[in-house]
Amino acid sequence: DVKVTQSSRYLVKRTGEKVFLECVQDMDHENMFWYRQDPGLGLRLIYFSYDVKMKEKGDIPEGYSVSREKKERFSLILESASTNQTSMYLCASSSPRSGANVLTFGAGSRLTVL
Amino acid sequence: GENVEQHPSTLSVQEGDSAVIKCTYSDSASNYFPWYKQELGKRPQLIIDIRSNVGEKKDQRIAVTLNKTAKHFSLHITETQPEDSAVYFCAASKVLGTGKLIFGQGTTLQVKP
Repeated sequence: DVKVTQSSRYLVKRTGEKVFLECVQDMDHENMFWYRQDPGLGLRLIYFSYDVKMKEKGDIPEGYSVSREKKERFSLILESASTNQTSMYLCASSSPRSGANVLTFGAGSRLTVL
Repeated sequence: GENVEQHPSTLSVQEGDSAVIKCTYSDSASNYFPWYKQELGKRPQLIIDIRSNVGEKKDQRIAVTLNKTAKHFSLHITETQPEDSAVYFCAASKVLGTGKLIFGQGTTLQVKP
């Protein structure tokens, strides 16, 4: 069973704080993604990665950065959190070996920025 | 870039009725179209998908149709049940193998017993 684990289910941060959202998958997947979910806007792609140390911008990368130092771990970083980054963040992974377009999602991290 | 529009945003049906959710995409090079279901408080999960070389695909009570010329695809749920109540997302992908999916805005389906 593919597992994508997001380290924090709920976080409350202050404006200007640096925030780290961690995601770990245990199925040796090459591809990892960070999406943001907001009501009425669906799932919007922030960043994705095909391989270790590789990253590509999605549709809404502004205000975010990512890190992929190990294959199993993909971190989303908010350098200076703002209130408009209050949202649900979903990590996902996939592999070309088992259908690259089939995403397995984590449970989500709900971030509130005050 | 690719844009996916999904309608309606909310849909309420009586148990046993059919439900249809429609999506349009902008990039004619898109060739993979999955549908994800997200139950309340849970993670999205793939329920069905279709590739551009196929016009229709069925899996028990759910089916997806694709019209490449019009650049739209639809999810059909027949004989709806209360457990079908969820948010449904369509998505489109231009390149098989990258996993990069562009999602629609989501449809909240409520099935009334």
